[in-house]
Amino acid sequence: AQSVSQHNHHVILSEAASLELGCNYSYGGTVNLFWYVQYPGQHLQLLLKYFSGDPLVKGIKGFEAEFIKSKFSFNLRKPSVQWSDTAEYFCAVKGDYKLSFGAGTTVTVRA
Amino acid sequence: DAGVIQSPRHEVTEMGQEVTLRCKPISGHNSLFWYRQTMMRGLELLIYFNNNVPIDDSGMPEDRFSAKMPNASFSTLKIQPSEPRDSAVYFCASSPRTSDYEQYFGPGTRLTVT
Repeated sequence: AQSVSQHNHHVILSEAASLELGCNYSYGGTVNLFWYVQYPGQHLQLLLKYFSGDPLVKGIKGFEAEFIKSKFSFNLRKPSVQWSDTAEYFCAVKGDYKLSFGAGTTVTVRA
Repeated sequence: DAGVIQSPRHEVTEMGQEVTLRCKPISGHNSLFWYRQTMMRGLELLIYFNNNVPIDDSGMPEDRFSAKMPNASFSTLKIQPSEPRDSAVYFCASSPRTSDYEQYFGPGTRLTVT
């Protein structure tokens, strides 16, 4: 069975600070990895995805993530956050068809 | 493209009543997923359809929950009878195929059972 662990439940930071959200997964086979974002009151939107190739993936809104196979990790980063990045962030892993989500990390950016 | 469409967006009902949630996947997508989101349990996959056929319903909490997909453009999730612990946001998602594609989520239905 596949599972996802997100390290932080709630992160609070100031605008222009750098952000890194940890994500570890467990799955024995080839995985597809995703980061989704959920803005307050909205549905999940895809930030970025990894299927194969370059382990450093760039997504929308200046986000990037690095797949480190040896560590079973897929951490999300953004060098300089904005107030509009306040949202909940979900890491997800898909082994066969099933998308398993982490518990989510709430990010609050203070102006 | 209109994206995944869900209705209603909000539903308030009394315990014991039947609730039906509706989903229209993105045209051409052959995989459809129902998820439930709660504070306690996060995002949980309830059921997955491929080409209108239920493939995995192991996440359906109990017999009070049922889902159908009569055709490629419509799916329902029914709760009968509803209970307060069913209160959650229910998301529908679709995907062009099960591998190598992300899932596209609908806006969700916020269900409150009193």
